[in-house]
Amino acid sequence: GAVVSQHPSRVICKSGTSVKIECRSLDFQATTMFWYRQFPKQSLMLMATSNEGSKATYEQGVEKDKFLINHASLTLSTLTVTSAHPEDSSFYICSAKPLENTEAFFGQGTRLTVV
Amino acid sequence: QKEVEQNSGPLSVPEGAIASLNCTYSDRVSQSFFWYRQYSGKSPELIMSIYSNGDKEDGRFTAQLNKASQYVSLLIRDSQPSDSATYLCAVNGVWGNFNKFYFGSGTKLNVKP
Repeated sequence: GAVVSQHPSRVICKSGTSVKIECRSLDFQATTMFWYRQFPKQSLMLMATSNEGSKATYEQGVEKDKFLINHASLTLSTLTVTSAHPEDSSFYICSAKPLENTEAFFGQGTRLTVV
Repeated sequence: QKEVEQNSGPLSVPEGAIASLNCTYSDRVSQSFFWYRQYSGKSPELIMSIYSNGDKEDGRFTAQLNKASQYVSLLIRDSQPSDSATYLCAVNGVWGNFNKFYFGSGTKLNVKP
């Protein structure tokens, strides 16, 4: 089956630093990857759609300068949380869609804690 | 995001009963529909996908889609305690020129032994 690997699974960082999260499709090519944020007991909120070779499209209210997304290849997208603050602490999840299908497969998620 | 709406629950059913989960979506450009299951602290896992009107069955799960009414549902037969989780409805489509994948807020299901 389609496997999406997300790294790291957990990260603790100091306020003001930046954190990079990687999302890799291991056995398929993904022209589109999605980044979500999920606060405790809430749903997944789509942050942005990452398209290979082009700029990401951000949802309303998501700061593109704070959440930098790079989709450099058909198997890798990265999300960088810049100048992280405690309110950025959340569960960040990526998903990827294979070229041929429309299902999206999810990475394991990254638990970010900013102290 | 309000493109997809679900009752948050919790929905409680006894073991062996049928659990019925419902979802409505707001935009007619939605093309594909999915049900995911999410356990606490974990990523969602795909249960069912459905693309055309009608019913689709897979084991104990049946997805139903009605595009005219803009709703999609999931029936779980012979519910088991291990089915206790949050069930997320998702829609995929093209809004403007962009491919989007939106989730509902999820319905928490409790299956009581």
